[in-house]
Order: sequence, then C-alpha cells, then structure tokens
Amino acid sequence: GQQVKQSSPSLTVQEGGISILNCDYENDMFDYFAWYKKYPDNSPTLLISVRSNVDKREDGRLTVFLNKSGKHFSLHITASQPEDTAVYLCAAGAGTGSKLSFGKGAKLTVSP
Amino acid sequence: EAAVTQSPRSKVAVTGGKVTLSCHQTNNHDYMYWYRQDTGHGLRLIHYSYVADSTEKGDIPDGYKASRPSQENFSLILELASLSQTAVYFCASRWDPNQAPLFGEGTRLSVL
Repeated sequence: GQQVKQSSPSLTVQEGGISILNCDYENDMFDYFAWYKKYPDNSPTLLISVRSNVDKREDGRLTVFLNKSGKHFSLHITASQPEDTAVYLCAAGAGTGSKLSFGKGAKLTVSP
Repeated sequence: EAAVTQSPRSKVAVTGGKVTLSCHQTNNHDYMYWYRQDTGHGLRLIHYSYVADSTEKGDIPDGYKASRPSQENFSLILELASLSQTAVYFCASRWDPNQAPLFGEGTRLSVL
C-alpha cells in the first residue's frame, strides 16, 4: 500500500499568503523526510529535507515541521508567489535499506 | 558535475515486447532507484539498489526486473511490456540515506 500519503491533491492560495502542504506516513522506521517540487515533464527537484532528530527546519520561505508521534510532516511556504505554482511531492525513507517512497503529489496554485 | 543520465529519453514499444531502460550515474553513488510517474499517483518506487550486483523490490515491482551490473549502471527491464506500463520513468541516485536523491531527466515510455 501507499507508504506516504498526501490527502489533499490540490491547494489554491492568494499571492502573499501561507501555503501549507501535508504528508502522512505509515512506517515507524522512516527517519528521512523531504519535500520536492515538480513541473510537468520535468524531474523532481529537492526543496528541503529533515532527519527524524529534529522537529523543524527553516530555509528562507520554507519550513518543514515533523510530528513523529503523529507520523505527519508538513511544508509551510510563507509569502507565496505565483512562481511557487507547481506540484509538490513529499518523500520519506528509512536509513536501513534506504528505500525512499513518495506521496502522490499536491498541486499548489498561487493566484496573483 | 553530478549527473544521472537516462536512455532512451522516449520510447514506443509494442505489447508483449521486451523493453530495457538504462540509467548511468557518474556520481560514485551507492544507491540507485527506479520510479514511475502516473497522473494521480505521483512517483512510485519500482526497484532500488544499494550495491552493485544486488537489487531490491520497491512498492510496485510486479512486471519489472532490475539489474545493477556495476555501481554506475542500473537498468529496468520489462520482459513483456503491457499497456498499463505506459508512463514516465525516473531514475535517481544518492550517496547515502542522509542525502537527497539526484534525478535523471526521465524516460517517456508508450506501450501500444
């Protein structure tokens, strides 16, 4: 079954607002979590990643929050811009064996 | 510069035929992955490998074989291609589980 789940397939946010994308996972052994951005017909590009020993990581307008007990992590994009419009994929994996699984993706649309 | 190269970039195959997708990395990475992308499914892991001459099943391995003859090369093999295997296939590599995978440009496969 799907190891990593993105329950909301799409999200629309006004320019300047905060975009929040969510991801749930099933495997307790996952210790690596990441968010990727993807345009149609292009390969995914890494936005930000965290290990399980931290609850939060910031990088510019991006923040990842990790809730290990709830098996949930999220991506917050502040001051959202039209160029943020894309599909966002979450990914999680376990160090042992290094299997890395992705969610189905969520399309973010930032409207001017 | 780190690179993951996939070949061919696109292919049309006939149902029941054999298809081999190739991936080559010059990054000295141990871990390599094959994913397929379908609308509504995001990226799904087919096979992966963390050492030459060894492969592991991912989340959707049925109908696919993988081969890792060397650290640099990782192939995906469809012995009997089917219509349902029409998709875009991405190869990725990374040095260790703490690192984000680097993706190739993708191979668009159409099975007719």
